[in-house]
Amino acid sequence: DGGITQSPKYLFRKEGQNVTLSCEQNLNHDAMYWYRQDPGQGLRLIYYSQIVNDFQKGDIAEGYSVSREKKESFPLTVTSAQKNPTAFYLCASSPPRGGRASEQYFGPGTRLTVT
Amino acid sequence: GESVGLHLPTLSVQEGDNSIINCAYSNSASDYFIWYKQESGKGPQFIIDIRSNMDKRQGQRVTVLLNKTVKHLSLQIAATQPGDSAVYFCAENKGSNTGKLIFGQGTTLQVKP
Repeated sequence: DGGITQSPKYLFRKEGQNVTLSCEQNLNHDAMYWYRQDPGQGLRLIYYSQIVNDFQKGDIAEGYSVSREKKESFPLTVTSAQKNPTAFYLCASSPPRGGRASEQYFGPGTRLTVT
Repeated sequence: GESVGLHLPTLSVQEGDNSIINCAYSNSASDYFIWYKQESGKGPQFIIDIRSNMDKRQGQRVTVLLNKTVKHLSLQIAATQPGDSAVYFCAENKGSNTGKLIFGQGTTLQVKP
C-alpha cells in the first residue's frame, strides 16, 4: 500500500526544545515538501526538496531545518528559534518532472503543540 | 504579487444541490490549477486539476472551470453529499521546475441533510 506517512500524529514539546517530525514516502517520488497550516488558513511552504541531498527554502523557512539523505525520507526539525511552532505540519511529495508534476500527495499531518 | 484566494470562507448547501466554490488568482503565468479537499484533521486530497490552456475539465461529480480573462477558477460539485463536507483549497503551480504550489485560504463546505 503506497503512500506518505507522517509520525507521530500528535506531538507535544516544551518551549526551547528542538523537535523532529518524520515524513516517509514509498511512491518513488523525487520531490518532497513541508507545509505549515494554522487554524483557518491555507498551507504555507516551509522547505522543499527536488532530489536527494538537495533542498531549498520555502516562504517561511526561518526556525526550521531539513535533510534529504534518502529519497524516501524528508524529516523536518522545528528548532527553538521558531517563534510560533504550534501548528499542523503537512508533508507532501510529487512525481518526477515530465509526469503529473503538479499533483502533490499529502501525508496525514502532525499536529505539534509547544507549551 | 502572487496570491490565490477564495471568495467565501464558508459555503452552506442542502444535500443534493450543486455546489460552486470560487477562487481568484493573480499570477497569469501559472501552468496548472489544482483543487484539493481537506477533511478535518487530515491531509489535503487531490480532487482535480486543469492546465492553463484549458477552460473546463470534468471528473466524477466535479467540474473545474478556468476563466483566464478574469483570472477566476471554480469547482462545481454535482449532487452534493454529506461526505463532501470539508475545506476546499485551490492552488496554482507556476510551471517552474520546482513543482511549488501556492495555496489559497480555503472554503469550508457545509452540507445540510
